[in-house]
Amino acid sequence: NAGVTQTPKFQVLKTGQSMTLQCAQDMNHNSMYWYRQDPGMGLRLIYYSASEGTTDKGEVPNGYNVSRLNKREFSLRLESAAPSQTSVYFCASKEGFGELFFGEGSRLTVL
Amino acid sequence: GENVEQHPSTLSVQEGDSAVIKCTYSDSASNYFPWYKQELGKRPQLIIDIRSNVGEKKDQRIAVTLNKTAKHFSLHITETQPEDSAVYFCAAPKGGSGGSNYKLTFGKGTLLTVNP
Repeated sequence: NAGVTQTPKFQVLKTGQSMTLQCAQDMNHNSMYWYRQDPGMGLRLIYYSASEGTTDKGEVPNGYNVSRLNKREFSLRLESAAPSQTSVYFCASKEGFGELFFGEGSRLTVL
Repeated sequence: GENVEQHPSTLSVQEGDSAVIKCTYSDSASNYFPWYKQELGKRPQLIIDIRSNVGEKKDQRIAVTLNKTAKHFSLHITETQPEDSAVYFCAAPKGGSGGSNYKLTFGKGTLLTVNP
């Protein structure tokens, strides 16, 4: 049982480049999330999808876009990467008040 | 929206001692309070949670207490062991109606170090 799988695990970009982080879950969860983690800042919500077909902004959505492709997949896109987007990104999913399951994380460096 | 404050940011204890981490939240409608543990280089994982209809929950060496009047909840770890060393995060959902459970707001984390 894979849980939440995100790719790539590591990525280095130059300022202005674009990229997409992919996330898939096999637990049939309705809700999916993208968080970023920076030292001393905890986990901050970028975007979330409460159910298939809906997406909403979180605390720090600027510079990002998302797509809920289907119930399993939720992608995060950086259209024009900036050094401030250097971070570790976590995808997560849950069902109702259940446990929030995280992926292994994607470490992004923007030069 | 929900604001979650977590203290302390770092905590160092001797093996066998107890550790307590406290969080306060702002939204009185919040009704679910989980704690996550993140080991170095790993993903956060749920260790214990509490709902607003109870004041305390225990699971072996860990416990969580909730004071809804004061809007704070705490994680208690007894008989700490070196493998308890990690970053611990509290969280609370945005309160109110309309599917408010969907978003969890996290505290900034507490780095717990258990010294052998």
